[in-house]
Amino acid sequence: NFMLTQPHSVSESPGKTVIISCTRSSGSIATNYVQWYRQRPGRAPTTVIYEDNQRPFGVPDRFSGSIDSSSNSASLTISGLKTEDEADYYCQSYDNDNHAVFGGGTKLTVL
Amino acid sequence: QVTLKESGPVLVKPTETLTLTCTVSGFSLSNTRMGVSWIRQPPGKALEWLAHILSSDAKFYSTSLKSRLSISKDTSNSQVVLTMTNMDPVDTATYFCARILDYTFDYWGQGSLVTVSS
Repeated sequence: NFMLTQPHSVSESPGKTVIISCTRSSGSIATNYVQWYRQRPGRAPTTVIYEDNQRPFGVPDRFSGSIDSSSNSASLTISGLKTEDEADYYCQSYDNDNHAVFGGGTKLTVL
Repeated sequence: QVTLKESGPVLVKPTETLTLTCTVSGFSLSNTRMGVSWIRQPPGKALEWLAHILSSDAKFYSTSLKSRLSISKDTSNSQVVLTMTNMDPVDTATYFCARILDYTFDYWGQGSLVTVSS
């Protein structure tokens, strides 16, 4: 099995852009789709990006996703940061046995 | 409107078996492209996938917990049941059920906090 590694925390100012990385430990990041979830304190996660770079209905285009085979990682980019974006963000993918794998989560602070 | 709701005990004793039920509405457990997953989150820690069951009744389990888990569904009653045997205090967590659409957990229940303590 593989692991997805995320930075423990990131911080940035309102209006700026932040990038959260998610690095796959083995196997190609491009093999299985990557999803990104936002979790506010005390709440269930919600999807902000699915299938590498697709935004669900209602998620603003300030949120974008990408994968980079050279670094074997996925990234979530949030531009025009707002204080309401403060949350924990998790990446998620699957292995070839259809087992889901979550990253360790990144705490985003907007200060 | 799609909803999922977890139900089960709030407190279990060590070595006991946990049984959690996820009752869904707004979709059928027989819909292709869909399934239901169980995911847990210990207090202050990351999400951990446990198991999922697809519309075909195919079942998949976390490798590290496979020997303790069982997942099943009752399509007519729109319920998915997870059992976890031999509970330990480290299993204290909020347990979520979530709908799978293709590859995404697109709808989640509110979560059910389960504490393991004697």
